[in-house]
Amino acid sequence: DVKVTQSSRYLVKRTGEKVFLECVQDMDHENMFWYRQDPGLGLRLIYFSYDVKMKEKGDIPEGYSVSREKKERFSLILESASTNQTSMYLCASSKGGTSNYEQYFGPGTRLTVT
Amino acid sequence: DAKTTQPNSMESNEEEPVHLPCNHSTISGTDYIHWYRQLPSQGPEYVIHGLTSNVNNRMASLAIAEDRKSSTLILHRATLRDAAVYYCILRDRKSGATNKLIFGTGTLLAVQP
Repeated sequence: DVKVTQSSRYLVKRTGEKVFLECVQDMDHENMFWYRQDPGLGLRLIYFSYDVKMKEKGDIPEGYSVSREKKERFSLILESASTNQTSMYLCASSKGGTSNYEQYFGPGTRLTVT
Repeated sequence: DAKTTQPNSMESNEEEPVHLPCNHSTISGTDYIHWYRQLPSQGPEYVIHGLTSNVNNRMASLAIAEDRKSSTLILHRATLRDAAVYYCILRDRKSGATNKLIFGTGTLLAVQP
């Protein structure tokens, strides 16, 4: 069974802390994505990666960075967490190539910044 | 990216068919129509996609209007486990590696026993 796992389901951090969210997929997918989900705004893309060490900004990259050192792992980094980064964070992966491969999502990490 | 419009919410009874509409009047010739759903406390999951012809899979059917300006996701017999937010998304098949999904707010489907 295909699987995308995220390091935590729930996380509470303080303002100004550096936060790491980890995502691992076991499907040998080329593409990986980080989204955040907020009520009334739907899912918004933060960053994506289409190969190891490759990354591109999504629609809301400000305040975030990412790292992809291995094909199966994609990390989202909040350099200095702020309260407006309290959200549900979702990781996804898909095969590379055409735009029509489905994306597989992890269960999400609910991050609260106090 | 072309925009989609969906009703905010719909209700259905268990074991009855459900037709979830989506309007996409600005769709381009290279846009595929994708549907995802998100069950409570879970990440989204792929349901189905199509280009011009109607499509069927084990989860649902997708009916696409002849002018492609609208489509309908059909759940043939709704169950309580189908209660979820359903997202209709257009994806440009020319976008290559940048195959990001642009989610709207979707349709919240409630299924009554």
